[in-house]
Amino acid sequence: QQQVKQSPQSLIVQKGGISIINCAYENTAFDYFPWYQQFPGKGPALLIAIRPDVSEKKEGRFTISFNKSAKQFSLHIMDSQPGDSATYFCAASIVYTGKLIFGQGTTLQVKP
Amino acid sequence: DTEVTQTPKHLVMGMTNKKSLKCEQHMGHRAMYWYKQKAKKPPELMFVYSYEKLSINESVPSRFSPECPNSSLLNLHLHALQPEDSALYLCASSPRAGDGYTFGSGTRLTVV
Repeated sequence: QQQVKQSPQSLIVQKGGISIINCAYENTAFDYFPWYQQFPGKGPALLIAIRPDVSEKKEGRFTISFNKSAKQFSLHIMDSQPGDSATYFCAASIVYTGKLIFGQGTTLQVKP
Repeated sequence: DTEVTQTPKHLVMGMTNKKSLKCEQHMGHRAMYWYKQKAKKPPELMFVYSYEKLSINESVPSRFSPECPNSSLLNLHLHALQPEDSALYLCASSPRAGDGYTFGSGTRLTVV
């Protein structure tokens, strides 16, 4: 019940296209859903996060869509650029517990 | 200062050595974390400190010993490690447990 399932495992998108990564969870107690971007040899960097009382959040080219009833959330990267090529992790936590659970990750390649 | 600083960036140690990893943040965050990340895998939680007290130990072997000397510093003491402990060790902090994590760039540990 603590798992966060992420798909796809890898994704290839043309420059200017839309990248979509999906995550699903079981534990309805989760109340914080961040997305992280990680480049090789670096730590994960917070991209955008959402709480379950909001259905969508947009920051620049990055949008989180959240479906509480389906227990799913997704990351949309608009106008994808080669510099977006990285591994993306969704995650979920219960605030105050300190347990941030990561999805398995998606390796995104944006072709020029 | 909006960074989590980890030292050293790289560490090679023998199985009989004792070494320490260090983590520092000056964002006033009251929760700090150690994560372990193997290649092509998501980060896995090891320890959580909240207000300088250990709140979560994810059944980590005793050869890993965390220490939180004050609200800005977090150490991970290593002793008698095994080659399978080779990984990227990530430190993170957040204003409160479970919310708004900032990760450091990690220490790449190799046990020989």
